[in-house]
Amino acid sequence: GQQVMQIPQYQHVQEGEDFTTYCNSSTTLSNIQWYKQRPGGHPVFLIQLVKSGEVKKQKRLTFQFGEAKKNSSLHITATQTTDVGTYFCAAHMEYGNKLVFGAGTILRVKS
Amino acid sequence: DVKVTQSSRYLVKRTGEKVFLECVQDMDHENMFWYRQDPGLGLRLIYFSYDVKMKEKGDIPEGYSVSREKKERFSLILESASTNQTSMYLCASRITGGRNTEAFFGQGTRLTVV
Repeated sequence: GQQVMQIPQYQHVQEGEDFTTYCNSSTTLSNIQWYKQRPGGHPVFLIQLVKSGEVKKQKRLTFQFGEAKKNSSLHITATQTTDVGTYFCAAHMEYGNKLVFGAGTILRVKS
Repeated sequence: DVKVTQSSRYLVKRTGEKVFLECVQDMDHENMFWYRQDPGLGLRLIYFSYDVKMKEKGDIPEGYSVSREKKERFSLILESASTNQTSMYLCASRITGGRNTEAFFGQGTRLTVV
């Protein structure tokens, strides 16, 4: 089964509020990737984190990789309607060939 | 830009039919993947391939098989379609070898088995 757990499954926020999704693994990860899927679209790569404790920012999005490399988070500051979609974390398993996704967090933004 | 193309956007098949889903990528990627996406379950890996004629089972391979005769093409086969295989199917590819690389997805095939 899936080896990467992601929560929450669903979040509905008011425009301007913050949003966070979390990803956890029982095993140490070599890296973690984040993808966004717009409604009706396909997943599109956002970013990759590799180093322990790494923090990366893309405008209003902040990505973190835990010190133990077993968890990660994506935080969106002041959500906008353009942020709606499903956010997935993904990790390479079994010597890097197998790419496994979390279940995703669906974000809805009320304007 | 990398392009991953799936042969159909929508398919309707009857129970028991043999179904072929085709995926082609144009960037010489060695790694290709088939996922199915269902509400609340995210993307579940069915099969992946890291080279021509090489294939590995993912997390839910039962009822499926794959074929990788050419580097650019990765086919998913449902030998005898069943209604529980109604789903969105997504193909992806990524660059050869390295672990720190992004996956590129096709537009998806929504399969309905009636």
